[in-house]
Amino acid sequence: RKEVEQDPGPFNVPEGATVAFNCTYSNSASQSFFWYRQDCRKEPKLLMSVYSSGNEDGRFTAQLNRASQYISLLIRDSKLSDSATYLCVVNTYNFNKFYFGSGTKLNVKP
Amino acid sequence: NAGVTQTPKFRILKIGQSMTLQCTQDMNHNYMYWYRQDPGMGLKLIYYSVGAGITDKGEVPNGYNVSRSTTEDFPLRLELAAPSQTSVYFCASSYSGTGGGDEKLFFGSGTQLSVL
Repeated sequence: RKEVEQDPGPFNVPEGATVAFNCTYSNSASQSFFWYRQDCRKEPKLLMSVYSSGNEDGRFTAQLNRASQYISLLIRDSKLSDSATYLCVVNTYNFNKFYFGSGTKLNVKP
Repeated sequence: NAGVTQTPKFRILKIGQSMTLQCTQDMNHNYMYWYRQDPGMGLKLIYYSVGAGITDKGEVPNGYNVSRSTTEDFPLRLELAAPSQTSVYFCASSYSGTGGGDEKLFFGSGTQLSVL
């Protein structure tokens, strides 16, 4: 079983739409959770950390459900510039090892 | 600030050749990592290091070697290149966090490697 699983998409949405991605993780001892954004052929960049109480950063909201072992990312009012692959990342805190999902591709269309 | 610097950006190797991917960071991070990313896939951990002189295998270590003689540098060595090693390689570093979500990964810009 993979450490982190994501729906690969693609999610094709119009500008202004709200879109949500989910991610599940297998290790219940996981400590820290993140969403990274990756543009084509570029390095991943941190979008936001995910905290137990949920957190929001502008149009982006992240939620963590430890009991069900899933993480979600909600994007409101999608922009063309949001088109990218979104990577779910889990830190097991075992020597600070980060595990990546395979990514969910988002295409925002005019 | 330079952050994490990876070289080269692109390289083509012939089967059986060797090369070293260089990675250096100037943030005094203890933790450093090498990942590979195949097309349409997530990042797979090759090797990691928790500090100078300490390295360990990740998920896909076969065909690679690493060393960590200083805090700043973490080179990745391919001894006998094979077509299966065609991939994009990312070096990353992080500081040791407290489990509160501070353990961000800082990435280099990647190396596109083709083995023909």
